[in-house]
Amino acid sequence: SAVISQKPSRDICQRGTSLTIQCQVDSQVTMMFWYRQQPGQSLTLIATANQGSEATYESGFVIDKFPISRPNLTFSTLTVSNMSPEDSSIYLCSVVPSGPGATQYFGPGTRLLVL
Amino acid sequence: DQQVKQNSPSLSVQEGRISILNCDYTNSMFDYFLWYKKYPAEGPTFLISISSIKDKNEDGRFTVFLNKSAKHLSLHIVPSQPGDSAVYFCAASWGGSSNTGKLIFGQGTTLQVKP
Repeated sequence: SAVISQKPSRDICQRGTSLTIQCQVDSQVTMMFWYRQQPGQSLTLIATANQGSEATYESGFVIDKFPISRPNLTFSTLTVSNMSPEDSSIYLCSVVPSGPGATQYFGPGTRLLVL
Repeated sequence: DQQVKQNSPSLSVQEGRISILNCDYTNSMFDYFLWYKKYPAEGPTFLISISSIKDKNEDGRFTVFLNKSAKHLSLHIVPSQPGDSAVYFCAASWGGSSNTGKLIFGQGTTLQVKP
């Protein structure tokens, strides 16, 4: 299994500012991802955080808006840049500890409100 | 286009009875399916998964059934307990009957188990 922590757990931000969310895993993991859950919606994959290289973004998400870092196998950050109220969501870090076929775990999420 | 659909937004059952949560998908490329439970203010918790090479997987009170021809899967909880009350998400991925970590989620079904 994997224990995932995220910081901050929640924040209220002003539009036009940026927020960096941290994800820490208690063990080295092969695959790490960032998801978003907008109010009343399901979870949507933002990007795959690749260790030592640029993240791979899903359709509709771009690096300028959601820059991601993954300096090692246990840590990643997601930045929400130039925020607008539409960015108000829960942002979740997710990992697959042992490669394809393994169970996928989610962090507790970061609840973001943009005013 | 919603590729994974949970058409029942809510379900209410009596404690001790069976809960059946349904999920339909449209993309025939999906070959790995997962169910998650989510409490408010927490991240999704993994429940059970099934690959497309199987039609049933059981883990304690939880059983998932997969009908590939109908592109339908269901989660059975027997017996249902009040602690099972939560939002249940169905998710799918593709990549050779294993979880690639890139999940497509349904909209969720809120289960209420009444004492």
